[in-house]
Amino acid sequence: AQSVTQLGSHVSVSEGALVLLRCNYSSSVPPYLFWYVQYPNQGLQLLLKYTSAATLVKGINGFEAEFKKSETSFHLTKPSAHMSDAAEYFCAVSARGRQLTFGSGTQLTVLP
Amino acid sequence: EAGVAQSPRYKIIEKRQSVAFWCNPISGHATLYWYQQILGQGPKLLIQFQNNGVVDDSQLPKDRFSAERLKGVDSTLKIQPAKLEDSAVYLCASSLGGDRNTDTQYFGPGTRLTVL
Repeated sequence: AQSVTQLGSHVSVSEGALVLLRCNYSSSVPPYLFWYVQYPNQGLQLLLKYTSAATLVKGINGFEAEFKKSETSFHLTKPSAHMSDAAEYFCAVSARGRQLTFGSGTQLTVLP
Repeated sequence: EAGVAQSPRYKIIEKRQSVAFWCNPISGHATLYWYQQILGQGPKLLIQFQNNGVVDDSQLPKDRFSAERLKGVDSTLKIQPAKLEDSAVYLCASSLGGDRNTDTQYFGPGTRLTVL
């Protein structure tokens, strides 16, 4: 079985501040990990993915995430938040022979 | 490049009625997915097609939900009869189909279903 836990259903940061969205996973086999972003009334868009190559993964819009096997984590970060980053973010896990499983999401609010 | 198209965008029906959703994936994408996203939750896979064959429908409530992908391109998802708990956004996604585990999935805008 596999699962994803996203700590904090709502996160608020000031514009220009560090963005940190937490994701912990559970998987009995080596995982593949993804971060998706969803803007209002739109579908999900892939930000970045870890597929067992480099543990530090860089994505679009200045986001990056680090796979830490010892902590079973894949937290998403961005050094400086922009108003346009306000959206819902989903962490997801898959593994060989298994479907993609999403977390429950984190709503990011960026304050002026 | 055109994205994944879905219609309708919104649908309101009464319980026990039937409803159908349509999806047109990105051209050339062999794999098509239907997800259900209930308010406050992440998307949950209902069914996955590879071309016109079903790869995974383990979470599809087969007593009321059905899906088909004729000719390996467009797909329809049907609910008959609908229940109140079916109120959700139904997302369609597609991917190239090279590796089901690491392929990037491209999502459509979804259909928001409200069952009264």
